[in-house]
Amino acid sequence: EDKVVQSPLSLVVHEGDTVTLNCSYEVTNFRSLLWYKQEKKAPTFLFMLTSSGIEKKSGRLSSILDKKELFSILNITATQTGDSAIYLCAGGTSGTYKYIFGTGTRLKVLA
Amino acid sequence: DTGVSQDPRHKITKRGQNVTFRCDPISEHNRLYWYRQTLGQGPEFLTYFQNEAQLEKSRLLSDRFSAERPKGSFSTLEIQRTEQGDSAMYLCASGGNEAFFGQGTRLTVV
Repeated sequence: EDKVVQSPLSLVVHEGDTVTLNCSYEVTNFRSLLWYKQEKKAPTFLFMLTSSGIEKKSGRLSSILDKKELFSILNITATQTGDSAIYLCAGGTSGTYKYIFGTGTRLKVLA
Repeated sequence: DTGVSQDPRHKITKRGQNVTFRCDPISEHNRLYWYRQTLGQGPEFLTYFQNEAQLEKSRLLSDRFSAERPKGSFSTLEIQRTEQGDSAMYLCASGGNEAFFGQGTRLTVV
């Protein structure tokens, strides 16, 4: 059965810290890995990764995929209180294009 | 606003009643997804459409759930004979290679 596992489940840091969130996946016919940020509402798209070793970057956020070891990481540098959210990753399958989500990492950034 | 739109945003219903939710995807997207999310969990896949064709439905999905996308544009999700366990956030997403979510419909069954 397809599954996506995220770690840690929760994390508390102080403003200015750097955090690394982990996502491992076992997805049949894997096509892509997506990262989302979820605050009190629906998930907001961050990144889509399809190729190993190519870093995607947006401001203080960056992500990379390792298709050999079946994992991805999301890095956030110089964290701010506005980064407090649940971060979700999802493995996408080819063919049906459905996404399998992990349970998320809850990040809290203290001022 | 050209994002994914869902209606209603909130629904409270009595157990046993039927409910229907609507999703209007981003206009150029031919893929549309329904997910369900409960507290502390990631979104759980329910079903997926490519244009008007329903290509996959979760095996976990009860027969009380049905979804349609009659003209390949908006979609509806109906839950018949609601149960308290159906209380959740119902999320619609549309996409090409990525998936973009709407704001969700929060269902409370009392």
